[in-house]
Amino acid sequence: QVQPQESGPRLVKPSGTLSLTCAVSSDSIRSSDWWTWVRQSPRKGLEWIGEIYRSGSTNYNPSLMSRVTMSVDKSENQFSLRLTSVTAADTAIYYCATSGGYSYSYGAWGQGTLVTVSS
Amino acid sequence: EIVLTQSPGTLSLSPGERATLSCRTSQIVSSRYLAWYQQKPGQAPRLLIYGASSRATGIPDRFSGSGSGTDFTLTISRLEPEDFAVYYCQQYGSSPPEYTFGQGTKLEIK
Repeated sequence: QVQPQESGPRLVKPSGTLSLTCAVSSDSIRSSDWWTWVRQSPRKGLEWIGEIYRSGSTNYNPSLMSRVTMSVDKSENQFSLRLTSVTAADTAIYYCATSGGYSYSYGAWGQGTLVTVSS
Repeated sequence: EIVLTQSPGTLSLSPGERATLSCRTSQIVSSRYLAWYQQKPGQAPRLLIYGASSRATGIPDRFSGSGSGTDFTLTISRLEPEDFAVYYCQQYGSSPPEYTFGQGTKLEIK
């Protein structure tokens, strides 16, 4: 399985919107997997942000639900994360991941991208 | 939200020794929904164990998972130098669908 690859701005201003994209293989986007965003910070450790299915169905972390939107672009073999009204607390390494065939766990991860919220 | 509490926070052992890492959940969790990961500096987490006791592809058999209910354990039978890392447990909750992680156990060389 091809490793997913995150991309997007590494610096976001407070109150702005964080936008990231995860590129995956064409086989992966057609699979029955849910695609997920997880972030990691010293303050909160590993935190599940939410997941999206190829149909566009989503589940979000209740603590972030009011600020999160995920979408999928099957023609481009990618899915995206938008997080609005960011603060310094949103500074973290953001990973995209998928089960990779494992139930209720994540067998395939991107390398992660550090996003800093700062003016 | 189900809270996962890992202990100890740091475990200092020598290569060749046995490591026992604990993950306690605040509510009963189905074994199907419990996983363990290893993370080394600068790397993404790597799946070790899923379904509480099944090893992911390529994971050496010195790694084993056990437990049920609210108490789960990751055991490394004989530590190799490359095993010193941070380990996380993770669970899936279905109502609403949500994943949560423990705070991690750092396994360091004594």
